[in-house]
Amino acid sequence: DGGITQSPKYLFRKEGQNVTLSCEQNLNHDAMYWYRQDPGQGLRLIYYSQIVNDFQKGDIAEGYSVSREKKESFPLTVTSAQKNPTAFYLCASSPRTVIYEQYFGPGTRLTVT
Amino acid sequence: SQQGEEDPQALSIQEGENATMNCSYKTSINNLQWYRQNSGRGLVHLILIRSNEREKHSGRLRVTLDTSKKSSSLLITASQAADTASYFCATAYNSGSARQLTFGSGTQLTVLP
Repeated sequence: DGGITQSPKYLFRKEGQNVTLSCEQNLNHDAMYWYRQDPGQGLRLIYYSQIVNDFQKGDIAEGYSVSREKKESFPLTVTSAQKNPTAFYLCASSPRTVIYEQYFGPGTRLTVT
Repeated sequence: SQQGEEDPQALSIQEGENATMNCSYKTSINNLQWYRQNSGRGLVHLILIRSNEREKHSGRLRVTLDTSKKSSSLLITASQAADTASYFCATAYNSGSARQLTFGSGTQLTVLP
């Protein structure tokens, strides 16, 4: 899983609670991404950031928020506004833009009941 | 959203046989990438092919790109049980806001010993 760490591996929360997923990279990459994966499906982009203190919404940003205060860190908060938060969340980074490959973390499986 | 679509959705072969997966996409791309995902893990980058390339090799992997047909194929030769995984194509588009990859829904490959 390269130089990207995600924690925790499994996370359980009650409905109505906000939860923050951690993503840290030591690859000195500028760009970082958050994806959501549902069973048997591909990845959908939630948010991405190309530089510190800047980030852009992806295809499914509603109910999620992010911050990029440090180059190494890109935490994702799943808010109570996200209607169906149970999913596998993947963080990735790349040197710059999509002309480069992305390096993925091991993922966090979030279960909300 | 614009997506690559893999075909077939699932493929089961005997060890030693070749496996071919296909990916189709919709508009002009900057590059196309293939990733592998073992169950419950993060994605691992396999190979990137640029829009001006037609074929690329990496070990037992061969990727072709046909921009006129907007399609790509991934061939894994002499498959091994360890190749059992989901395989995703991801496309980087040439549109103005192309700062992200768009993933297909994947091909689940099972290699039987």
